[in-house]
Amino acid sequence: GNSVTQMEGPVTLSEEAFLTINCTYTATGYPSLFWYVQYPGEGLQLLLKATKADDKGSNKGFEATYRKETTSFHLEKGSVQVSDSAVYFCALKNQGGKLIFGQGTELSVKP
Amino acid sequence: DTAVSQTPKYLVTQMGNDKSIKCEQNLGHDTMYWYKQDSKKFLKIMFSYNNKELIINETVPNRFSPKSPDKAHLNLHINSLELGDSAVYFCASSHPGTANTGELFFGEGSRLTVL
Repeated sequence: GNSVTQMEGPVTLSEEAFLTINCTYTATGYPSLFWYVQYPGEGLQLLLKATKADDKGSNKGFEATYRKETTSFHLEKGSVQVSDSAVYFCALKNQGGKLIFGQGTELSVKP
Repeated sequence: DTAVSQTPKYLVTQMGNDKSIKCEQNLGHDTMYWYKQDSKKFLKIMFSYNNKELIINETVPNRFSPKSPDKAHLNLHINSLELGDSAVYFCASSHPGTANTGELFFGEGSRLTVL
């Protein structure tokens, strides 16, 4: 079946630190991959996506590359800010299928 | 203006009660969803409706009954509430063009606490 596994949180970083949140997936076929972000007290919103192998999704300084050989879609940012504190969800979707989320990784950025 | 709005935002109730959560979207989307987020932040789909028709129904107890009076509304009614129903329930919607790309638009969530 399809599933998504993320690194456990919480992740605590200082401002301007480098961020990596690992995400690996199991899927049949060739899924599309996503990162969603949930800021405190809000619903999820799409952060970035990649629809095929070797695609790189990017937004707001965040990047993730679709790696088929390692079935991974790790989220990175070169310099985090306090305002990036949120819960980050990796997700996948097969053609015509449901959007399946990982368990979420909480990020806390300290000034 | 809020694109996907849910009410109430917080709901505290006793075991055995029946409660409803309402959802409305003003984005003109055809597809709406209900997700349940547990205390560990794990997010799982419960139902999906496309133009008022049920298209996804996960293995959810039949105490949960979604109702879609029109494509802009998807309400969730829960009968005989149990402690394990305590969670945050998220409504979401998607446009036909983005449904296949996985872009969903979420409400702010409704936190249900069952005592």
